[in-house]
Amino acid sequence: GNSVTQMEGPVTLSEEAFLTINCTYTATGYPSLFWYVQYPGEGLQLLLKATKADDKGSNKGFEATYRKETTSFHLEKGSVQVSDSAVYFCAPFSGGYNKLIFGAGTRLAVHP
Amino acid sequence: NAGVTQTPKFQVLKTGQSMTLQCAQDMNHEYMSWYRQDPGMGLRLIHYSVGAGITDQGEVPNGYNVSRSTTEDFPLRLLSAAPSQTSVYFCASSYMNTEAFFGQGTRLTVV
Repeated sequence: GNSVTQMEGPVTLSEEAFLTINCTYTATGYPSLFWYVQYPGEGLQLLLKATKADDKGSNKGFEATYRKETTSFHLEKGSVQVSDSAVYFCAPFSGGYNKLIFGAGTRLAVHP
Repeated sequence: NAGVTQTPKFQVLKTGQSMTLQCAQDMNHEYMSWYRQDPGMGLRLIHYSVGAGITDQGEVPNGYNVSRSTTEDFPLRLLSAAPSQTSVYFCASSYMNTEAFFGQGTRLTVV
């Protein structure tokens, strides 16, 4: 079946550092890909998405590019802030009916 | 806009008790689903629905029942709670082939 492998956390960075969180997946075809973010005590929010190969999703300074050759969707941000501290989930659609497959999540902690 | 509303936010059950987790959305989404979140395991799909009257099992359906009598509501029933069902439960809704909107979650503890 489809699966997602995410970079293990926690990731600890200083403010203004560069962030990369790796995500690779296995899937049938070319599913839409999503990054969700979960702030402490809250539900998941969509951070960005890409619906076809070579698409770049972006939001709040975060970016991720749909790479079908490497089946990857790595999340990047050039300069992180303390407010970016959260858990990040990579999630492709899987098997139709809008079912999402989630990675284990990567916890990011940003220090001043 | 209310979006996806889950109730209750917190619940403690004794082993063997039953309860229903409520989920309602006001976006007229046809797709709704329930996930559970456990430490180190991400979110796993319990049940999902593609419209009123249509439900199906996800990855971890055992011990849970669902029904969908209206577009807006998708309750999750625990028939006989077990400690292994201690988790955080999220309801989500979406249109076809678009991103999911999540509720704030229900933290359930079974003792």
